[in-house]
Amino acid sequence: DAKTTQPPSMDCAEGRAANLPCNHSTISGNEYVYWYRQIHSQGPQYIIHGLKNNETNEMASLIITEDRKSSTLILPHATLRDTAVYYCIVVAYSGAGSYQLTFGKGTKLSVIP
Amino acid sequence: EAGVAQSPRYKIIEKRQSVAFWCNPISGHATLYWYQQILGQGPKLLIQFQNNGVVDDSQLPKDRFSAERLKGVDSTLKIQPAKLEDSAVYLCASTSGRGDYEQYFGPGTRLTVT
Repeated sequence: DAKTTQPPSMDCAEGRAANLPCNHSTISGNEYVYWYRQIHSQGPQYIIHGLKNNETNEMASLIITEDRKSSTLILPHATLRDTAVYYCIVVAYSGAGSYQLTFGKGTKLSVIP
Repeated sequence: EAGVAQSPRYKIIEKRQSVAFWCNPISGHATLYWYQQILGQGPKLLIQFQNNGVVDDSQLPKDRFSAERLKGVDSTLKIQPAKLEDSAVYLCASTSGRGDYEQYFGPGTRLTVT
């Protein structure tokens, strides 16, 4: 799987948009970009994923550049509960109908009141 | 829908002792994963099961770690004997195995080896 690069930490004011960048310059054409987050003392939680197109769900938006070498996760109105470590992961599906996640160190997002 | 259950939540043992962790995945989920998360790092996959068969155990330290999923439902991860460097959170995750895109994680078991 392709490797990702994320800043180790970021701050965001409560109520503002949090924009978390991720570089994945070696991504292959069949690999997806996934985002998970891990709130302190909890297991990781799926946020969103995409292949080429931008994606939006009730939690966040994912913007993938046209060359697919980088992406940005956007939390539109950050709250204190969004304080967590955010992981950007590049994933290739296995033939068994499942896939493996290779986590890096992620970005520690601190939402400040 | 009940989530992934893990027990115990915390465990403290001395080095060279043995320990076992239990995981009950979401009902109907065929694929089960065990991860190890050392403090300050992201989770690392140890083993992946599809039903009761092992798909990948390439990162499992087999000299001391073992895992089983006998009936294709719940699973046990064992460490024998434990070393200081095994201190970590052990996470279990599951998916349906039918191509869905989300792994559901349990709360983890925090192991401290003294």
